[in-house]
Amino acid sequence: DAGVIQSPRHEVTEMGQEVTLRCKPISGHDYLFWYRQTMMRGLELLIYFNNNVPIDDSGMPEDRFSAKMPNASFSTLKIQPSEPRDSAVYFCASSLGGKMAYEQYFGPGTRLTVT
Amino acid sequence: KQEVTQIPAALSVPEGENLVLNCSFTDSAIYNLQWFRQDPGKGLTSLLLIQSSQREQTSGRLNASLDKSSGRSTLYIAASQPGDSATYLCAAPFSGGYNKLIFGAGTRLAVHP
Repeated sequence: DAGVIQSPRHEVTEMGQEVTLRCKPISGHDYLFWYRQTMMRGLELLIYFNNNVPIDDSGMPEDRFSAKMPNASFSTLKIQPSEPRDSAVYFCASSLGGKMAYEQYFGPGTRLTVT
Repeated sequence: KQEVTQIPAALSVPEGENLVLNCSFTDSAIYNLQWFRQDPGKGLTSLLLIQSSQREQTSGRLNASLDKSSGRSTLYIAASQPGDSATYLCAAPFSGGYNKLIFGAGTRLAVHP
């Protein structure tokens, strides 16, 4: 398996622009997670999905952030409008589901810079 | 507040040394605890997952233990190698759901030849 795939790997945009990050989870995984990593706040869970349904979005910082999972093999995280404080590395992860927790597998991340 | 703390923040050791990384958590009602490795500019790689009913897990030179009553986990690395240099993070899901991980800030390990 190719693992979790994220695109783009790097994104540089100007303040006010819309940014869309993409993720393809590992085939067969029921859960998909979006994280953000910064030096100041470390790694934070933004939102996660189970079987394409958003379960917990309490980590989404503002209404400017939205996430969708239209099918089992694709998810997007959108920021509109973007601001300099959104600059961070955004990770997508996926895992199996069930009555116990399974290991989460992370993608390589998207480094976002908002100028 | 549910928190995960890692000490030390950074560690530098000579090759061949056995070492212990520490992780503490504020809520003993965790579902499991996971240890990850992160190389510079890369994503996280899962190393070990300990379910709440287990006390330890082993993989090669790595051994992780879990003591829920004291709110602690340790990652033991035997015979360290320069290739072990990375940041090690522990994470635990608390009562918000066993998939909702809260991460520690990590321990940055440097193993020098």
